Amino acid sequence: GAVVSQHPSWVICKSGTSVKIECRSLDFQATTMFWYRQFPKQSLMLMATSNEGSKATYEQGVEKDKFLINHASLTLSTLTVTSAHPEDSSFYICSARDWTSGSSYNEQFFGPGTRLTVL
Amino acid sequence: AQKVTQAQTEISVVEKEDVTLDCVYETRDTTYYLFWYKQPPSGELVFLIRRNSFDEQNEISGRYSWNFQKSTSSFNFTITASQVVDSAVYFCALSEAYGGSSYKLIFGSGTRLLVRP
Repeated sequence: GAVVSQHPSWVICKSGTSVKIECRSLDFQATTMFWYRQFPKQSLMLMATSNEGSKATYEQGVEKDKFLINHASLTLSTLTVTSAHPEDSSFYICSARDWTSGSSYNEQFFGPGTRLTVL
Repeated sequence: AQKVTQAQTEISVVEKEDVTLDCVYETRDTTYYLFWYKQPPSGELVFLIRRNSFDEQNEISGRYSWNFQKSTSSFNFTITASQVVDSAVYFCALSEAYGGSSYKLIFGSGTRLLVRP
């Protein structure tokens, strides 16, 4: 089955530093990847849609300069939280769409998530 | 605008009870997809089901069943004979069928299910 990995699974950093989170599709090509943020006991909120080779599309209210997304290959997208602050502490989840499955609906597969804690 | 409402914030049942999780959605699209995901304490989302808007047949998978009713814009999820391992947060989600927005998923707020022994 399609597998999406995220690295790291958790990270603790100091306020003001930048953190990069990787999302990889391990056994399929993903032209589109999505980044979600989930605060404790809340739902998943889409942050941005990342298309391979082009700029990400950010949802309203998400700061582009703070959450840098790069989707340079068909199997890797990265989310960089720049100048992180305690309010950025959250659970970040990526998902990837498989264009090659041949199904009428291109499935979206989720990574295991990355828990970011900013001190 | 698309919206998913899960009115039940938290449900607590005793093991072996049946439990139904409600999901009501809003969309202007005539073709769309509905989903249910399970999120155990580990955090990883577990896909449970996808339903196409043209397919209103109810589905049963083991102890799980889903009731899709377009007339009431609902896609409810029932767990029969609940078990402690069913304790998790369950999310209902909606996606448009044509990739104008790249099939992004709109999630409900989730229902936390606690199954007590």
